[in-house]
Amino acid sequence: DAGITQSPRHKVTETGTPVTLRCHQTENHRYMYWYRQDPGHGLRLIHYSYGVKDTDKGEVSDGYSVSRSKTEDFLLTLESATSSQTSVYFCAISSGLGGVTDTQYFGPGTRLTVL
Amino acid sequence: KQEVTQIPAALSVPEGENLVLNCSFTDSAIYNLQWFRQDPGKGLTSLLLIQSSQREQTSGRLNASLDKSSGRSTLYIAASQPGDSATYLCAVGGVNNNDMRFGAGTRLTVKP
Repeated sequence: DAGITQSPRHKVTETGTPVTLRCHQTENHRYMYWYRQDPGHGLRLIHYSYGVKDTDKGEVSDGYSVSRSKTEDFLLTLESATSSQTSVYFCAISSGLGGVTDTQYFGPGTRLTVL
Repeated sequence: KQEVTQIPAALSVPEGENLVLNCSFTDSAIYNLQWFRQDPGKGLTSLLLIQSSQREQTSGRLNASLDKSSGRSTLYIAASQPGDSATYLCAVGGVNNNDMRFGAGTRLTVKP
């Protein structure tokens, strides 16, 4: 398994509070991604990073920000959590060198509940 | 906007049967296509990746095909086993591979 960890694995928070989720990789892969998975919507890309300090928006980026100050860490922040952000959040990585190396490897997920 | 559809949403088969899972997509300008497996409460495990220039990929009892012109991919599982029970997800990578769109998945149950 690719070395990807996510923390916390479970979190319950209240509406309006800030929340930060962490993704850590030991593979030295260039690309890192944050997805959310919801019943009826499948997985949707929130933000991704193509290098240190290089990030871009995905399909559902509103209400989320990201930061990548080191190759191994990619942080997802909900500035002011809302109930609609209750979801399971997955981090993924890929080396992005083309061909089979574009395979994305996923972390175990973080279950976030916003009350 | 790329739309990815997987049919059926759920499938139940007896052990030993060969089966096919279907994935269709609306925009043929793709970079690659991946098939994933997801067990309940777990993350996704990559099964196969097909580049846009390829027609199929094989890994053990799994074979994935890609027909860009018709916007279709199939995942063939030979001699199914109860351990194959999981949700199978198809994901289509856009031209820069950073805009990956997922289908909703097919939940497979293989009965002993």
